[in-house]
Order: sequence, then structure tokens, then C-alpha cells
Amino acid sequence: DAGVIQSPRHEVTEMGQEVTLRCKPISGHDYLFWYRQTMMRGLELLIYFNNNVPIDDSGMPEDRFSAKMPNASFSTLKIQPSEPRDSAVYFCASSPIGGGAAGYGYTFGSGTRLTVV
Amino acid sequence: AQKVTQAQTEISVVEKEDVTLDCVYETRDTTYYLFWYKQPPSGELVFLIRRNSFDEQNEISGRYSWNFQKSTSSFNFTITASQVVDSAVYFCALSEATYSGGGADGLTFGKGTHLIIQP
Repeated sequence: DAGVIQSPRHEVTEMGQEVTLRCKPISGHDYLFWYRQTMMRGLELLIYFNNNVPIDDSGMPEDRFSAKMPNASFSTLKIQPSEPRDSAVYFCASSPIGGGAAGYGYTFGSGTRLTVV
Repeated sequence: AQKVTQAQTEISVVEKEDVTLDCVYETRDTTYYLFWYKQPPSGELVFLIRRNSFDEQNEISGRYSWNFQKSTSSFNFTITASQVVDSAVYFCALSEATYSGGGADGLTFGKGTHLIIQP
């Protein structure tokens, strides 16, 4: 299994531009999570999906952020318009049915380092 | 609401020393799961261990060991005979496994402990 795959690994964009981050979860995993890591706030959960349905998006910072999961093998996190304070590492993670409850843990992708200038 | 506290921001030891990373958590749930992740300089998050709230047995995996004590809400991580390759940021995390929408919620992370092993 290739694990959770995120693209791009690095993204540099100008303020005001639209940014789209992509994630392919592990096949068969029913849960998909988006996290953001910054020096100030650490690792924080933005949104998660169960069977492609968004369950909790309370961590999404603003309306400029949106996430979709059109099918079981693909999710996007979009920022429009981007701002310098959005600069962070964005991680995607997936988990089988039950996630931590079933004891399988969460597998993280390698992350996308976003820099907004 | 759940909370994870890693009071040690940075620890520096000389190679071969033993080192313990502290983790204290807060939760109202009786069923929850605790995790440790390692983040090496390359940036990925590497899963180390998961523990459920009903299993207080200590666990040992090679040079790594974990001490879970519900009485003090702690889940500490010890590295024995540390090596330079252990240098990384280590995160403790909690999942309350609440069943909103039929499944487990995501992880709440501590701020991490930056471990530096000097040769």
C-alpha cells in the first residue's frame, strides 16, 4: 500500500490566489482528516469525512477554506483567496472504520508545505 | 473538551542517556485513545503507539516504553539508551472516540516536545 498520498509537497503562491491541496487516502479507509500545523497553534484538526460525507468542519478557520471529498479515493482542501497567515503544513490522514475507536490509528500523509507570499 | 499538555518544549540529552517525555491529558469520556507520534526533521508524522483507556498495562517496544496511568491522567514515553536518530519532535495525542455521525472523531494533539540527542 502506498499510504496516504498528498500533493503537491510544496506550494508557493501569492496572496489572493486560489490554492488547492489534494489527498488520496488509503484504499478501504472510511475516514479522512485534514490537519494544519503551524508554530503558533501546533497541529489542529480542520475537518473530517466519513464515507465521503463531512462530519465536523468546526475547525475550518474561515469561509475562505473549503474541503470536498467527491469519492472514496480523493479529497481536496481549497483556500480562496489565500493569505500569508495561511502559510503552514497541511496534513491529510485516513483511518479505517472506527478510527481510533477500533484501534487502528490514523495514517498521515507527508504533508503539503504551503507558503503564501 | 479534550486537552493534551506536553509541558516539556525541548529536551536535550547526550547519546545513550535515558529520557522521558511527559504527556498529561484531560477528557470527560470514559472511553478514549492515546497516541504518540514522531515527527523527524523530514516532517512526516510517524505513528508509534496507541493505547485505549481500558488498558493500563505498560508497553515496551525495543528501546521505547510507555507508562499509562489513569489516576494521574498521564501517558509518558521513555526512550532508553537514546540515539542521535531519535532526535525529533514527539507528539502525544488523544481521541475521545465519540460517535458523532457514527464514528470516531479526530485527534487532539499536544504542542510537542523537541528532543535533541547530542552525540
